[in-house]
Amino acid sequence: QQPVQSPQAVILREGEDAVINCSSSKALYSVHWYRQKHGEAPVFLMILLKGGEQKGHEKISASFNEKKQQSSLYLTASQLSYSGTYFCGTESQGAQKLVFGQGTRLTINP
Amino acid sequence: GAGVSQSPSNKVTEKGKDVELRCDPISGHTALYWYRQRLGQGLEFLIYFQGNSAPDKSGLPSDRFSAERTGESVSTLTIQRTQQEDSAVYLCASSSQVNQPQHFGDGTRLSIL
Repeated sequence: QQPVQSPQAVILREGEDAVINCSSSKALYSVHWYRQKHGEAPVFLMILLKGGEQKGHEKISASFNEKKQQSSLYLTASQLSYSGTYFCGTESQGAQKLVFGQGTRLTINP
Repeated sequence: GAGVSQSPSNKVTEKGKDVELRCDPISGHTALYWYRQRLGQGLEFLIYFQGNSAPDKSGLPSDRFSAERTGESVSTLTIQRTQQEDSAVYLCASSSQVNQPQHFGDGTRLSIL
């Protein structure tokens, strides 16, 4: 079953923060985050494994709450290069494939 | 190093024709995935391979779709008797193992007239 991402779209000014959420109705083993720029292939950002860990680097990080089957992607002090569509891909227990959400379109304006 | 390569990059064909889409994964990657992405939509899982085996074909939309992988390398997605609703970008990805980060190719843009 497809995870639900929210919001569907967000527009920010450069330097503002954003949070993108991903929720699943299934017990999850892992959550993957990817970014796709217009006309390009998706690019891997990070994986979060069961255990509620938070990963990432200074300005792009993510958390995984396995009890709630939710993951959130945090973009801090956004840059123009962050623009694109962000997809979460969820892996359920016992499944060896990702099911992707519908995506969140992020637009960063100067 | 070389990434995932897909060919052709664009394919225009008439309704009812068969098409073959090719994917060359990153060398040494055992897992290979096929997705379909319609305009403005998300990534729709089609099939994945672990080595040359396809444990999960549940995403194939109909029996007109088939895929194979040989030599734990190249994969071919075949669509028979194409329909207009098959128009989309078909993306291939590979990973070193299942559940590891997926590296995507640039896709094949398929247009059915």
